[in-house]
Amino acid sequence: RKEVEQDPGPFNVPEGATVAFNCTYSNSASQSFFWYRQDCRKEPKLLMSVYSSGNEDGRFTAQLNRASQYISLLIRDSKLSDSATYLCVVRGPTGGFKTIFGAGTRLFVKA
Amino acid sequence: EADIYQTPRYLVIGTGKKITLECSQTMGHDKMYWYQQDPGMELHLIHYSYGVNSTEKGDLSSESTVSRIRTEHFPLTLESARPSHTSQYLCASSDSGAGSGNTIYFGEGSWLTVV
Repeated sequence: RKEVEQDPGPFNVPEGATVAFNCTYSNSASQSFFWYRQDCRKEPKLLMSVYSSGNEDGRFTAQLNRASQYISLLIRDSKLSDSATYLCVVRGPTGGFKTIFGAGTRLFVKA
Repeated sequence: EADIYQTPRYLVIGTGKKITLECSQTMGHDKMYWYQQDPGMELHLIHYSYGVNSTEKGDLSSESTVSRIRTEHFPLTLESARPSHTSQYLCASSDSGAGSGNTIYFGEGSWLTVV
């Protein structure tokens, strides 16, 4: 079993749709959580950190459930420009090194 | 924007050649990483460094080597390139701070093709 698992893609949605991505992690000692976005043939870029209380950045909402070891990303009112691969990222305890990138979920937003 | 730079961005070389992919960051980060990623596939960590004179192999076995003589510089070397080394190589860095300081920043990547 992989340490970080994401929904298999791709997700094909129309513009304006709401789409949710899920991610589970196996190491209960994990302490930092992120969503990265990666465009085709580009480098991954930080989309948002994920906090225990949940957090929102415009149309994007991230949630963390430590008890279930589960992270989610919700995108509301999808835009064509949201088409990308979304990577779930989990990091070990502060001071430790281990950072695990999920395999990513591909999103296609169509007009 | 992240201040991490990779050169060359694109390289086509013949089998058996020695190559070095350069990576520099100006953020003063102590941790640096090299990832390998084939198109449409997941990232694989091949090397990392906690700081100067520290290098470790990552999760994916690689024939490449790295060095960390200066904080800002983390070059990756292939002594004898083979077609199986054709891939994108992404350099990244982060600092040791908690919370948002844990963010990993990536360079734009080096696309290597070995013919």
